[in-house]
Amino acid sequence: DVKVTQSSRYLVKRTGEKVFLECVQDMDHENMFWYRQDPGLGLRLIYFSYDVKMKEKGDIPEGYSVSREKKERFSLILESASTNQTSMYLCASSLGDRANQPQHFGDGTRLSIL
Amino acid sequence: DAKTTQPNSMESNEEEPVHLPCNHSTISGTDYIHWYRQLPSQGPEYVIHGLTSNVNNRMASLAIAEDRKSSTLILHRATLRDAAVYYCILQPYSGAGSYQLTFGKGTKLSVIP
Repeated sequence: DVKVTQSSRYLVKRTGEKVFLECVQDMDHENMFWYRQDPGLGLRLIYFSYDVKMKEKGDIPEGYSVSREKKERFSLILESASTNQTSMYLCASSLGDRANQPQHFGDGTRLSIL
Repeated sequence: DAKTTQPNSMESNEEEPVHLPCNHSTISGTDYIHWYRQLPSQGPEYVIHGLTSNVNNRMASLAIAEDRKSSTLILHRATLRDAAVYYCILQPYSGAGSYQLTFGKGTKLSVIP
């Protein structure tokens, strides 16, 4: 089975801090994704990557950046954390030969910005 | 964007079949129908997907209407572990929007022991 591992289940940071969320997948998937999930708003795509060093903006990239230096690892960076970035963050991966492939999710990181 | 409509909630007795409906009247010819579920405190989990024909896997079956304007996810024997929010999602095969999943509010399934 595919395993997508997020580095922390819970994280508490302060306003203005630079925050790194890490995600690792073990199935050699080309595509990796970062979503955030908020009550009443569903999942919203922040960024995705279809190859090493490649990235595409999703629906809500403002205030975030990403890094994909190795195929198995995709990092989400909050450049200067703000309270409106308190949320559940979900990482996912999928095969890259076709766009329409099932996505496999990690269990999420619940991030609180104080 | 093609949208889906699902009931907010459903209940089922344990060990009985469950039919979760989804309407997608504006589906286009290249949209795949995906189902995911999300258990409490976990990330979404892929369940099944299809294009035109009915599909079966170890978790569930997917029945797609002939005109593709609706589909039904079938859990053959509900267990307590199946209590989750179930999302029906349309995903284009290629082009803009083909990578991301757009989750709606889904159907919250409760399973009664």
